[in-house]
Formats: sequence, structure tokens, C-alpha cells
Amino acid sequence: QKEVEQNSGPLSVPEGAIASLNCTYSDRGSQSFFWYRQYSGKSPELIMSIYSNGDKEDGRFTAQLNKASQYVSLLIRDSQPSDSATYLCAVNLKISSGSARQLTFGSGTQLTVLP
Amino acid sequence: DAGVTQSPTHLIKTRGQQVTLRCSPISGHKSVSWYQQVLGQGPQFIFQYYEKEERGRGNFPDRFSARQFPNYSSELNVNALLLGDSALYLCASSSQVTYGYTFGSGTRLTVV
Repeated sequence: QKEVEQNSGPLSVPEGAIASLNCTYSDRGSQSFFWYRQYSGKSPELIMSIYSNGDKEDGRFTAQLNKASQYVSLLIRDSQPSDSATYLCAVNLKISSGSARQLTFGSGTQLTVLP
Repeated sequence: DAGVTQSPTHLIKTRGQQVTLRCSPISGHKSVSWYQQVLGQGPQFIFQYYEKEERGRGNFPDRFSARQFPNYSSELNVNALLLGDSALYLCASSSQVTYGYTFGSGTRLTVV
């Protein structure tokens, strides 16, 4: 099992729709969860962080966390063409027993918002 | 405020050579991590430093080494370069190891 796994996509949604991105992780003890957006040829940009079970909303973005299911998701409402990018899920987890926690990324989901 | 700065932006090296990449974190950030990103994949963790001490190392060979200086800037060194080392190398900083990281714009390394 991969440490952080994302639905591989690519995902296409029409403008104005809701885009749903999903992520699962292996370390049940993880406490910090992040979503990054990466435009082609650019570096990742932090867009959401979530630490507690439930929903966290920031503008058109909502992050959802369920630690019991080891699942974190990102919803983008009223999707815009400018949201077209790769979305990376990142979890602070232990790579191996005895190690400190490291920010570990999934492989990303490429989102395209069609005008 | 300046963000995370990395240098150089682009680099072309020959197989077998050595390379040093540099990173300056956001002012006040004591944690610096290095990542390698190849096309189509998420960033892969290489090293983490906090307060000048190595806090973690990813699954990379000993050809990869790093250090953090008293001003919290950092260098990543790669010896005996292989074609497979061609990638975008990202530096990220954070005020605490459990917080989200801010990434620099990266160094694009091409090994020929």
C-alpha cells in the first residue's frame, strides 16, 4: 500500500461544477493533512490545511477529514478554468518505525475545468 | 517578505559530475526540507532539517547529502550524477515540522 494514495485521474469537470478530489493514507497516527495546487511548470502551492475531523471551508475550497477511515478530500465549488492544475495531497506521516514524521505526498490528481 | 529562494533555477550537468543546490528559507523558518519531483509524480522526500539537525532522510542513495547552516539556509549535494537524477528539486520551509510547508520555485536539474 502506498503511504499516500490519490485517485489518479485525470479529472475533468465543466465550469461551475463541483470537483471532488480524494486521498487515503497509511499511518493512522497522522495528525496534519494538506492540499497543494501545482500549475504546470511551477512549484506546489499550499491551499488548505486540516488537522481535525470534519470539514474546513476556505472560500470555494472545502477540505474534509475522516481519521477513522484514514481519508481526506478536497471539494472545489463553482470550478473555474483557472483551477485547472494538479492537486497534491500531503500527509505528515512516519515513513518507517522510529522515524520522525515527514510531509509525504501522493502522486497528484490532474484537474481540468472545461469552459 | 521574501519567500523561499532557490538557486540556481536551471542546471545542466554531465553524468558523474557533482552538483550543489542552495536554498534560503522564509525568515524565521527553522525547518527546511528537500524534495525531488520527476514529471507526472508527486514530490519525493529527500531530507528534512530542523534547527540545523537532520530530522529525516528519504529513500535516496548516499550520493545525496545535505546540510543546514546557522542562518537556516541549506544546501543539497548530489555526487556521481546519473541520468535518473534529472528532476525538479524543491526546497520547502516551515516554522514547525508539523505545519504546512512553503515551497521555493525549484531547481531544474538535467543530467546528460
